[in-house]
Amino acid sequence: DAMVIQNPRYQVTQFGKPVTLSCSQTLNHNVMYWYQQKSSQAPKLLFHYYDKDFNNEADTPDNFQSRRPNTSFCFLDIRSPGLGDAAMYLCATSRDRGVAGNTIYFGEGSWLTVV
Amino acid sequence: GESVGLHLPTLSVQEGDNSIINCAYSNSASDYFIWYKQESGKGPQFIIDIRSNMDKRQGQRVTVLLNKTVKHLSLQIAATQPGDSAVYFCAENMGGGGGNKLTFGTGTQLKVEL
Repeated sequence: DAMVIQNPRYQVTQFGKPVTLSCSQTLNHNVMYWYQQKSSQAPKLLFHYYDKDFNNEADTPDNFQSRRPNTSFCFLDIRSPGLGDAAMYLCATSRDRGVAGNTIYFGEGSWLTVV
Repeated sequence: GESVGLHLPTLSVQEGDNSIINCAYSNSASDYFIWYKQESGKGPQFIIDIRSNMDKRQGQRVTVLLNKTVKHLSLQIAATQPGDSAVYFCAENMGGGGGNKLTFGTGTQLKVEL
């Protein structure tokens, strides 16, 4: 059974129209991450939550925001999608942070197309 | 077959042969390394990990070797099967406060030929 569940798997949005991607986890992990992966590239970390503490990567554009209303759910909000934001967005979780050996589990990703 | 580097190279091997996928990591302070397998259209799947106090770790049909002197990591797959076809990413964990920060290498496309 899937432990990190992303919805929707495929999302088409119009240029500039806000979009939200969701992630839920059944692992009760403290840390949740959002990665962006463009075609033929490695995943790139956008931000992560440790419990309710939000940690943004320095080079993540302001256009990307996140919410974590409870332990199980985390959302990625793209306020004004541009064509360059078309990518697969990966949610991931880990039990804890700052400890070597914490396996990070990924969801199956949400594909975003911007038209 | 063997590949080198982080340029998303393609490694083609015959079914049944051993595969070696190489990765050069960037941060000498990284304390934990992971290999992920990513099939087309899916999220990365954990394969095997190794801590910096080890130089070798074995799993089922897979072995990871770590050479900290030259900051090099390799994944060996024994008796490669068609189901092993995927992109393989190495990732280094820089640990420390603020969360596990995985930095991914570019990836290697493994193609298994029948």
